[in-house]
Amino acid sequence: DAKTTQPNSMESNEEEPVHLPCNHSTISGTDYIHWYRQLPSQGPEYVIHGLTSNVNNRMASLAIAEDRKSSTLILHRATLRDAAVYYCILGDSGNTPLVFGKGTRLSVIA
Amino acid sequence: GAVVSQHPSRVICKSGTSVKIECRSLDFQATTMFWYRQFPKQSLMLMATSNEGSKATYEQGVEKDKFLINHASLTLSTLTVTSAHPEDSSFYICSARGAGLAGSTYEQYFGPGTRLTVT
Repeated sequence: DAKTTQPNSMESNEEEPVHLPCNHSTISGTDYIHWYRQLPSQGPEYVIHGLTSNVNNRMASLAIAEDRKSSTLILHRATLRDAAVYYCILGDSGNTPLVFGKGTRLSVIA
Repeated sequence: GAVVSQHPSRVICKSGTSVKIECRSLDFQATTMFWYRQFPKQSLMLMATSNEGSKATYEQGVEKDKFLINHASLTLSTLTVTSAHPEDSSFYICSARGAGLAGSTYEQYFGPGTRLTVT
């Protein structure tokens, strides 16, 4: 499995934007970049995914580097409810399961 | 859309007994379901992959006779922990991927998890 590297933890102030980085230098041409988050004692929640172009949805934006070796998940205005572990995962378009790394624990300060 | 449910959400059982956890896709047909477990302060670990009507494929180190997986329909998969022991206490999470989901068939949608405690 292609691996990703994320900072162990990050901190943000409430109402401010948060940029969560992810490095994936060994990404293959068919790998999608997926972001999930997990709140305490809950299952992971889908956030966003992309292949080459930047993506936006109601939860977040995903900025993908031109060489695809890194990406950034952007939360435009962090709230206390955004405190979670954020996972950046590479996955192809086939049937292979998502394999989770350690993720980034985001703390949001009021 | 894309809701996955699990039942029960919590279960406590005695050592040596078996426990069954159900995973249902509520608004789509899950051609593939995955089972993960998560120990405290750790990430999710994939246990097995099951396709509807086929035998599950287990990850290395996961005992197939201990963790029985049945994926008998496109909306239901079950995980049975047989002869449970305290070391099986964990957070078990199922995930589903399938057809009928707007936008993509590649995403995995996760259930809320089942906390198993074996005493």
